[in-house]
Amino acid sequence: SAVISQKPSRDICQRGTSLTIQCQVDSQVTMMFWYRQQPGQSLTLIATANQGSEATYESGFVIDKFPISRPNLTFSTLTVSNMSPEDSSIYLCSVRDRGLHYGYTFGSGTRLTVV
Amino acid sequence: AQSVTQPDIHITVSEGASLELRCNYSYGATPYLFWYVQSPGQGLQLLLKYFSGDTLVQGIKGFEAEFKRSQSSFNLRKPSVHWSDAAEYFCAVLSGGKLIFGQGTELSVKP
Repeated sequence: SAVISQKPSRDICQRGTSLTIQCQVDSQVTMMFWYRQQPGQSLTLIATANQGSEATYESGFVIDKFPISRPNLTFSTLTVSNMSPEDSSIYLCSVRDRGLHYGYTFGSGTRLTVV
Repeated sequence: AQSVTQPDIHITVSEGASLELRCNYSYGATPYLFWYVQSPGQGLQLLLKYFSGDTLVQGIKGFEAEFKRSQSSFNLRKPSVHWSDAAEYFCAVLSGGKLIFGQGTELSVKP
């Protein structure tokens, strides 16, 4: 199955600043996904990152707040902009994994605390 | 809209006892269903998935799940729970190429 490296694993940030999270996959994948997991909650899809085109955002998420880059088939970044304490969450990237017969593999997540 | 419901927020079982975690889905066509486990401070690990065929699916770590179309359910089972199984378990359905997750069930294991 695919191996995903996600950085940073955790961070504590000041409100009003931005954090960029990186997701590196050890194989080429067509689609990458970014999720948010608020404390004690389930996972909510933020956007789908497509190589060569703009990301597709889910309802309630906007590009100005969560800009995404997808420069190639193995890498993506998610930026959390102008952070507030409400952005404190775990952010996870995911890929559709041929090695898992099209299951979805997740990175280990970025635990973000905004103070 | 497609959705997944996990009725039990928290379950506690004794080590060695059997386990069943419930999952109900709402989906118009044949669903693609998944169970994931999230250990504390970790990402999600795929336990098993159902796409078609045999309705009893075997997964990793001794888990299995049974797809029951008549009940719109995909319950996860394990015959004998180990202390290391304590974690959060998520059921998910694939919709439009995206995973939709249930609220999760937290499993605690008593010695």
